[in-house]
Amino acid sequence: AQKVTQAQTEISVVEKEDVTLDCVYETRDTTYYLFWYKQPPSGELVFLIRRNSFDEQNEISGRYSWNFQKSTSSFNFTITASQVVDSAVYFCALSEAASNDYKLSFGAGTTVTVRA
Amino acid sequence: EAQVTQNPRYLITVTGKKLTVTCSQNMNHEYMSWYRQDPGLGLRQIYYSMNVEVTDKGDVPEGYKVSRKEKRNFPLILESPSPNQTSLYFCASRALYISTGSPGNTIYFGEGSWLTVV
Repeated sequence: AQKVTQAQTEISVVEKEDVTLDCVYETRDTTYYLFWYKQPPSGELVFLIRRNSFDEQNEISGRYSWNFQKSTSSFNFTITASQVVDSAVYFCALSEAASNDYKLSFGAGTTVTVRA
Repeated sequence: EAQVTQNPRYLITVTGKKLTVTCSQNMNHEYMSWYRQDPGLGLRQIYYSMNVEVTDKGDVPEGYKVSRKEKRNFPLILESPSPNQTSLYFCASRALYISTGSPGNTIYFGEGSWLTVV
């Protein structure tokens, strides 16, 4: 079963628009970690944020903000005033503390295109 | 500088010709793993290793082998590559045990290896 669902396959916006990426996860663990990664066209994975399951505080970092809601098992990501450089694939991922393989379960990714 | 280094970064090869993608980390991490990335599927774990000589299958191990003879290296071996192994591959490492000053659960990824099998 898919543990991380990113329902939006592609999002296209015009520069300066806000864009919100949805991430819904599924786990039975009480301790887990959620991540967002950015993958620009060059292909590398750029770490954006890690949040543990006990910290539901929303976070803002510059134009990026994250909304973690355990009640709905969601960890959504918003880019405010988008820029062309934000064009990338964004992945949400889950790591469960009780798993034996310490793997990251990734969503399918959302491709964001910001047009000038 | 903390690094996970993969080689080659880009490779086009032919069906059946054995190849190895190397991965090396300089952080003395116990844990290393390989992922493949495919459109619409995100990244999926191929194999992982908890320490030297300790390896295990991930979600999609078919057609791959790994070895962990040294702590820093974790090569991915395709004994007889096939076109369905065309993918973007990532190596990752992390410390398993949290110690003073350690980033703990921080996961470090290599830059990726684009592999095409024709």
